[in-house]
Amino acid sequence: GAGVSQSPSNKVTEKGKDVELRCDPISGHTALYWYRQRLGQGLEFLIYFQGNSAPDKSGLPSDRFSAERTGESVSTLTIQRTQQEDSAVYLCASSSPGTGINNEQFFGPGTRLTVL
Amino acid sequence: GDSVTQMEGPVTLSEEAFLTINCTYTATGYPSLFWYVQYPGEGLQLLLKATKADDKGSNKGFEATYRKETTSFHLEKGSVQVSDSAVYFCALSAFITQGGSEKLVFGKGTKLTVNP
Repeated sequence: GAGVSQSPSNKVTEKGKDVELRCDPISGHTALYWYRQRLGQGLEFLIYFQGNSAPDKSGLPSDRFSAERTGESVSTLTIQRTQQEDSAVYLCASSSPGTGINNEQFFGPGTRLTVL
Repeated sequence: GDSVTQMEGPVTLSEEAFLTINCTYTATGYPSLFWYVQYPGEGLQLLLKATKADDKGSNKGFEATYRKETTSFHLEKGSVQVSDSAVYFCALSAFITQGGSEKLVFGKGTKLTVNP
């Protein structure tokens, strides 16, 4: 596809359940980012992938959160034992090959997660 | 740490009114500055950016000037249209030491509604 896609678009789950959120970046983009937007807050950085490795996991809020990326393409963000404070919109972004500053990040539409 | 503070909304204007959305930042070094826009039902899109002091970013009639002395990047448009109704996010780039890329640090967003 032409842009970043994410699935599901909406996810409602019960407290304590595990969820998986998927991101398909723009083809050829080696850098991939996950952000979270809780209600009334700005976007928070969660994790960054360069290729399949994650040099920066500093934004993951707890050890219940993990992410992986395979084939320098699809990424999955997993939240185990979900809590109500995990309710948020989870956004994925990708950027063009190479590193360095000012590579524009292209965002997906997000997954709205609601934990009951 | 790096942070962005932007004017809280919501902002409601009549068509053809002048728009200013204030944004100030705190950062080490010299980040790039961005305005992102999220139209209803769509993903975040880059609206404009500036990479160094005194640079002016512009797009679709919107402008913002990187002011190092006041650490500001206010968004302006001389005459807004109904189609400009959206949520606007100010952001800065923060260098990721491991991996050589950047993450974005966002403000909380300002919702703009333009009435005909």
